[in-house]
Amino acid sequence: QKEVEQNSGPLSVPEGAIASLNCTYSDRGSQSFFWYRQYSGKSPELIMFIYSNGDKEDGRFTAQLNKASQYVSLLIRDSQPSDSATYLCAVNNPGAGSYQLTFGKGTKLSVIP
Amino acid sequence: SAVISQKPSRDICQRGTSLTIQCQVDSQVTMMFWYRQQPGQSLTLIATANQGSEATYESGFVIDKFPISRPNLTFSTLTVSNMSPEDSSIYLCSTRFNSQETQYFGPGTRLLVL
Repeated sequence: QKEVEQNSGPLSVPEGAIASLNCTYSDRGSQSFFWYRQYSGKSPELIMFIYSNGDKEDGRFTAQLNKASQYVSLLIRDSQPSDSATYLCAVNNPGAGSYQLTFGKGTKLSVIP
Repeated sequence: SAVISQKPSRDICQRGTSLTIQCQVDSQVTMMFWYRQQPGQSLTLIATANQGSEATYESGFVIDKFPISRPNLTFSTLTVSNMSPEDSSIYLCSTRFNSQETQYFGPGTRLLVL
């Protein structure tokens, strides 16, 4: 059973702070990792994807991947109230031709003004 | 990424009835996926729909309950059959573009079964 684990939160951070969201996965063969943002009542929206160990930065967002530890994280710098949402970690399933994704249950982030 | 639309956006249905959800993509895609997101839960893949072949269902989902059509490269439907209150959920379609692994989601269909 492939698993993707996230702390459900809620994670509360003050406006302007760094929010750190974490995710672990069980399938060592997974190669592709995704972060989605989901506002209440809306569908998931892709924020970032990462394939290689290390950091990948895009604006205020940084994804970090450590395949040896089976760990992927998302850092949000200068957090804004508009970042308040549930963040879903998704990992590809290599045994299913790599096109299927397994999602974690999500971490609810609340940015306090 | 292209635009993905779903119809209906929401519906309230009586138990025992069926609802067909439509998903339209504004470009041709090989794979379309149908997910369910129950209240407070994450996304669970129901099935993968490829044009010209039978849909592939995940464990716990069967064709009699969730029949899927994929008549062309831009369109798919998911039917939720013989509904019960446990089927109340958000149903989402998604797709990949240009052999990327990234999936993009439609706006979802919010279903309430009474």
